Amino acid sequence: DGGITQSPKYLFRKEGQNVTLSCEQNLNHDAMYWYRQDPGQGLRLIYYSQIVNDFQKGDIAEGYSVSREKKESFPLTVTSAQKNPTAFYLCASSNSGGPLFQFFGPGTRLTVL
Amino acid sequence: GQQLNQSPQSMFIQEGEDVSMNCTSSSIFNTWLWYKQDPGEGPVLLIALYKAGELTSNGRLTAQFGITRKDSFLNISASIPSDVGIYFCAGPTIYNQGGKLIFGQGTELSVKP
Repeated sequence: DGGITQSPKYLFRKEGQNVTLSCEQNLNHDAMYWYRQDPGQGLRLIYYSQIVNDFQKGDIAEGYSVSREKKESFPLTVTSAQKNPTAFYLCASSNSGGPLFQFFGPGTRLTVL
Repeated sequence: GQQLNQSPQSMFIQEGEDVSMNCTSSSIFNTWLWYKQDPGEGPVLLIALYKAGELTSNGRLTAQFGITRKDSFLNISASIPSDVGIYFCAGPTIYNQGGKLIFGQGTELSVKP
């Protein structure tokens, strides 16, 4: 079955530690995205990548980093510089040559203690 | 910049009631998307609208692309408990940068059995 996987579903880290969230897709999509969602709020774009080895900052990139070494993978690192890292993180992908809608993964809930 | 405003922010209804929500912008959109997010999961696309005036249905859901291209509406008929969740409208940015989408802040729906 084609889709997007994010792992783990729940992640706990101590303050000051970097943590990497995984996102993998087998939809053969060119573009991938990372969003952050806080309770009662919408989706805020962190980073996006339109093609392998290229990515752009979104609206709230400070304290985060990404890489896009393979088409199917777009990991997000939450660094110790991110002041409020506890949130629900969503990964999405889209086919840049096709419909404009994005497919979302199930999300990772990160809690920093 | 382009923004999407959703109303109402939350709704508490009785099972069987009809639901209406809308999404407005000060800018023109060429595509309107409606997503639903179940609690603790990633958003799932419900309906995509591509033409001003278009009316599209998906089961008990009906969405309309406003004539002015600055708004869209989502109606749910005969609500059931599994309709609970957050409903987001979304659309591509004016420059359509690699499939980037703007999201509204969501309408949270609660259904009382």
